[in-house]
Amino acid sequence: DAGITQSPRYKITETGRQVTLMCHQTWSHSYMFWYRQDLGHGLRLIYYSAAADITDKGEVPDGYVVSRSKTENFPLTLESATRSQTSVYFCASSLDGYEKLFFGSGTQLSVL
Amino acid sequence: AQKVTQAQTEISVVEKEDVTLDCVYETRDTTYYLFWYKQPPSGELVFLIRRNSFDEQNEISGRYSWNFQKSTSSFNFTITASQVVDSAVYFCALSEANSGNTPLVFGKGTRLSVIA
Repeated sequence: DAGITQSPRYKITETGRQVTLMCHQTWSHSYMFWYRQDLGHGLRLIYYSAAADITDKGEVPDGYVVSRSKTENFPLTLESATRSQTSVYFCASSLDGYEKLFFGSGTQLSVL
Repeated sequence: AQKVTQAQTEISVVEKEDVTLDCVYETRDTTYYLFWYKQPPSGELVFLIRRNSFDEQNEISGRYSWNFQKSTSSFNFTITASQVVDSAVYFCALSEANSGNTPLVFGKGTRLSVIA
């Protein structure tokens, strides 16, 4: 089915480990985004990408790395996970930067 | 920089009551877009509406209606005759178009509980 998929759905890891969250979309949307959702903070933008090989920081980029070698994929890596990165992570895509976002189902990450 | 404020953290209503969720935004751009998303208990984010800054007409979709007022920088969302299935977290968001295509900035959300 066409759409935007995230994997894994759930992930438990330990502090200091590297973790990569995957995001894949089949619409050929130019823009892709990573948000994190935390109680009391709503959705905060981590990184976004306007096209392959173009990425930009959002509001809370520290501790995260992204890449976009192909239009359809936008992985998010936590190079050395910390407990403060325990969160629900949502990937999204859109035709343009100000168009409506299509969200994935989210990845619930716990860092112990 | 753009900002969205949803002052109501949680609202609880009895089924069939009307409820209004407030959204106040800040932007220096003249061209911008406003959004509402719904997040039911299952966790997915569902798009409800997108309005541009040049269209101040109110919108109605079934039991849902939206009131956009540039004079007060508000984009409020009203649910008429609420139902238990309306229980969710609702997010308001803003995107600016003048300064390049800026990603959506979300408010902190309002959790709506509709009690049978």
